[in-house]
Amino acid sequence: QKEVEQNSGPLSVPEGAIASLNCTYSDRGSQSFFWYRQYSGKSPELIMFIYSNGDKEDGRFTAQLNKASQYVSLLIRDSQPSDSATYLCAVNPAGYNKLIFGAGTRLAVHP
Amino acid sequence: NAGVTQTPKFQVLKTGQSMTLQCAQDMNHNSMYWYRQDPGMGLRLIYYSASEGTTDKGEVPNGYNVSRLNKREFSLRLESAAPSQTSVYFCASSEALTGDGYTFGSGTRLTVV
Repeated sequence: QKEVEQNSGPLSVPEGAIASLNCTYSDRGSQSFFWYRQYSGKSPELIMFIYSNGDKEDGRFTAQLNKASQYVSLLIRDSQPSDSATYLCAVNPAGYNKLIFGAGTRLAVHP
Repeated sequence: NAGVTQTPKFQVLKTGQSMTLQCAQDMNHNSMYWYRQDPGMGLRLIYYSASEGTTDKGEVPNGYNVSRLNKREFSLRLESAAPSQTSVYFCASSEALTGDGYTFGSGTRLTVV
């Protein structure tokens, strides 16, 4: 069974700080990696995707991928209360036309 | 720009009743998916359709059936609902997994009593 693991949290950070969300995956051949944000009672929305080792930046968000360690992370700079949500890590295992999701990490940004 | 539309948004069923959840996308995507989301368990794949005319089981297919009616529509049927099927159901679509990932519908909150 291919797995994606996340710390459930809650991860509590003060407004303006950097929030660091982590995810590990079991399928070494996985090719693409996604971060979704889900507000309570809403559907997931895509915020970042990454395919290559290293960092990818988009505004306040940075995705980091280390395939050797089977580890992907999401950094949120200058965290805002509006960033408070559950963040889902998703992985596309090699040879599969589907995503496997982690259970999500709940982030709480307090003023 | 509707994206992925799911109906109904809420439903209460009695044990043993049947129902069909409807999903339609207007983005000309090839692939469509049904997930369920339970507290603490994340999104679990029920069934998916990589392209029109094909369907495959996901992690938790028991108790469900699907139909890919055409490229736009992918329905999920519960033949005999059980309390264990109380969940939030999400439909999603994608062109390909190299690119934008999934676009999700707004979800159906199903309660089986």
